[in-house]
Amino acid sequence: EADIYQTPRYLVIGTGKKITLECSQTMGHDKMYWYQQDPGMELHLIHYSYGVNSTEKGDLSSESTVSRIRTEHFPLTLESARPSHTSQYLCASSEYGEPGNTIYFGEGSWLTVV
Amino acid sequence: AQSVTQPDIHITVSEGASLELRCNYSYGATPYLFWYVQSPGQGLQLLLKYFSGDTLVQGIKGFEAEFKRSQSSFNLRKPSVHWSDAAEYFCAVAASGGSYIPTFGRGTSLIVHP
Repeated sequence: EADIYQTPRYLVIGTGKKITLECSQTMGHDKMYWYQQDPGMELHLIHYSYGVNSTEKGDLSSESTVSRIRTEHFPLTLESARPSHTSQYLCASSEYGEPGNTIYFGEGSWLTVV
Repeated sequence: AQSVTQPDIHITVSEGASLELRCNYSYGATPYLFWYVQSPGQGLQLLLKYFSGDTLVQGIKGFEAEFKRSQSSFNLRKPSVHWSDAAEYFCAVAASGGSYIPTFGRGTSLIVHP
C-alpha cells in the first residue's frame, strides 16, 4: 500500500488567491511528480524532481511552482489562482534508478477556482 | 517522443463477461509499459507492467496484458469481470526519450452491469 498523502483533498478558492497543495511520502523515494488531470483526459506531467533541490518542468506548461527541500515533501504552489487552474492534481513518487519502477500515487487534490 | 492512445473512452460489460481494454503506444524501441487503475476518489494503483521477457504478463486482481510489438499494442484483459472492477483504467509508456517518466493515456472508463 502506498504511503503518499495529499492535502487538501478538496478546495474551493477565489480568483487571485495563493494556494499550496501539500504532498508527502514516507517511502524514502527520490523521484516525485505532479500530474494534472481533467475528467476524461490524460494525466499531464507538470513538475517532477529527482531528489532534494532538484525540480524540473514537465510536458504541460503550468503557472505553478514546486520546491523540494526535504526528500519526503514536494509542495506545489499557485501564486495567483485562476478559474483555468480548476482541475485535479495528483502527486506521485517512485524509487530512482530503474525506468520501470512503480509510481505510487496519492489520492489527489481537487481544486476549484471561482 | 513517446505517446499512448486508448481508443475507447467508455466500455460497458456485464458482470461475468470477459474484458479487453485497448492500448497503443508510439515509440521506436521497446518501452516500459504499464496499466494503472483508478477507483472513484482514489489515486492510481499499478495493475501490471512489462519491459522484457514473456509478452504475456500477469497482474493483480486477475488482470493480464499482452505486449505485441508488431501492433505496438499492450491490451489489458480479464476473463471474468466483477462489479468491483468498475473504474478508470490508464495505460502508460515510459521510454528513454521521455527520461523514463511515464506518459499516460486519457483512460478508459469501465462500466459493469449486474
